[in-house]
Amino acid sequence: DAKTTQPTSMDCAEGRAANLPCNHSTISGNEYVYWYRQIHSQGPQYIIHGLKNNETNEMASLIITEDRKSSTLILPHATLRDTAVYYCIVRADNYGQNFVFGPGTRLSVLP
Amino acid sequence: SAVISQKPSRDICQRGTSLTIQCQVDSQVTMMFWYRQQPGQSLTLIATANQGSEATYESGFVIDKFPISRPNLTFSTLTVSNMSPEDSSIYLCSVEGGPSGRESYEQYFGPGTRLTVT
Repeated sequence: DAKTTQPTSMDCAEGRAANLPCNHSTISGNEYVYWYRQIHSQGPQYIIHGLKNNETNEMASLIITEDRKSSTLILPHATLRDTAVYYCIVRADNYGQNFVFGPGTRLSVLP
Repeated sequence: SAVISQKPSRDICQRGTSLTIQCQVDSQVTMMFWYRQQPGQSLTLIATANQGSEATYESGFVIDKFPISRPNLTFSTLTVSNMSPEDSSIYLCSVEGGPSGRESYEQYFGPGTRLTVT
């Protein structure tokens, strides 16, 4: 079973920041928080991951709370092409560890 | 990140037949995986494709139904055997890690193969 909980769906206005929350209250000390997204009819796309520090790359920012029990993925300027299902996954950083996908959050970016 | 291709991209098959899906990566990778995504559902891991040895299957998946090959570090196949309409899904391969050890723990996914069984 997935070790994360996410809202089923969210809307965001085009050009605004999209903030996607994720709860992972049972996360272990050696588990990272990963975010993927799946645009309709495509394979999942890696976005970002982190352990305890906030992370930023060209796609998004990841904010992890100090107790690591929750995190937020931020898309700073959402576009229509960001409409997708976003998956938050916790996993230890060891080869061969399974990614357990939950239902994710369906983000709709509206014009 | 690795570039992953899958063949076929989609197929419509009759029940009782088998289909082999190919996954090709543009660089050597340590780990290769096969996932299934049933209509309207999230992804479920089928098995880990091990190079030079038998695949490691998750609970609920068996080798007779989903035989897997991995002859080298850039290629794997998944066969869906004796298909039924319940096998209609998207099948995805993913890869992790480079050949020289820890280069990345992210998994990268192929575009998927959309299978419809009639």
